[in-house]
Amino acid sequence: QVQLQESGPGLVKPSETLSLTCTVSGGSTSYAYWSWIRQPPGKGLEWIGYIYHSGSTAYNPSLESRVGISIDTSKTHFSLRLSSVTAADTAVYYCARQMYSYDSGAYSNWFDPWGQGTLVTVSS
Amino acid sequence: QSVLTQPPSVSAAPGQKVTISCSASSSNIGNNYVSWYQQLSGTAPKLLIYDNNKRPSGIPDRFSGSKSGTSATLGITGLQTGDEAVYYCGTWDTSRLNAVFGGGTKLTVL
Repeated sequence: QVQLQESGPGLVKPSETLSLTCTVSGGSTSYAYWSWIRQPPGKGLEWIGYIYHSGSTAYNPSLESRVGISIDTSKTHFSLRLSSVTAADTAVYYCARQMYSYDSGAYSNWFDPWGQGTLVTVSS
Repeated sequence: QSVLTQPPSVSAAPGQKVTISCSASSSNIGNNYVSWYQQLSGTAPKLLIYDNNKRPSGIPDRFSGSKSGTSATLGITGLQTGDEAVYYCGTWDTSRLNAVFGGGTKLTVL
């Protein structure tokens, strides 16, 4: 079964770029959507964006100007970049497989599985 | 402020039933499918329900989902202390063009 694992620096300085990688094991990134979701300490979930295996992307409009998601051609991992970070970007960052489709006039959208999450703190 | 509205907390005794509501607008829940997630303390969210009422393999039938209009409901029967967690609803928002979640409901099993 597919498992995901986030990795990257746990501390980023303000105004710098946050970079995380999600490694997919037990399967490849082919034929699926792969997403990043974050959760500030003590708060709820915020979708950041997804990348399809073909490389097409969609981002949360509130973050679109600062975010980029890429996928490795080896199809074993995908990455997140978030630029010009501030303390408000401090959060646990999760990667997840996003099941997304449109059928009979309705969107189906859900996330499974999730990585264990990695805390990124923005501080000087 | 979350796009989807959930009660901050609910509680019930072991063995009892509880429902958690999730409401919003026609641009999200009204026209699209709803999913539910369980987040135990210190862990990642886990999918409980997708497409309004479908359970992934391994999720017991004590968990159920339903949707009517612009509201969705998660039901949990035969409550166990291990069900204490924060529960989130989610869906796709057609007007915002992004996935949205509720603010989460903390379930306490007394």
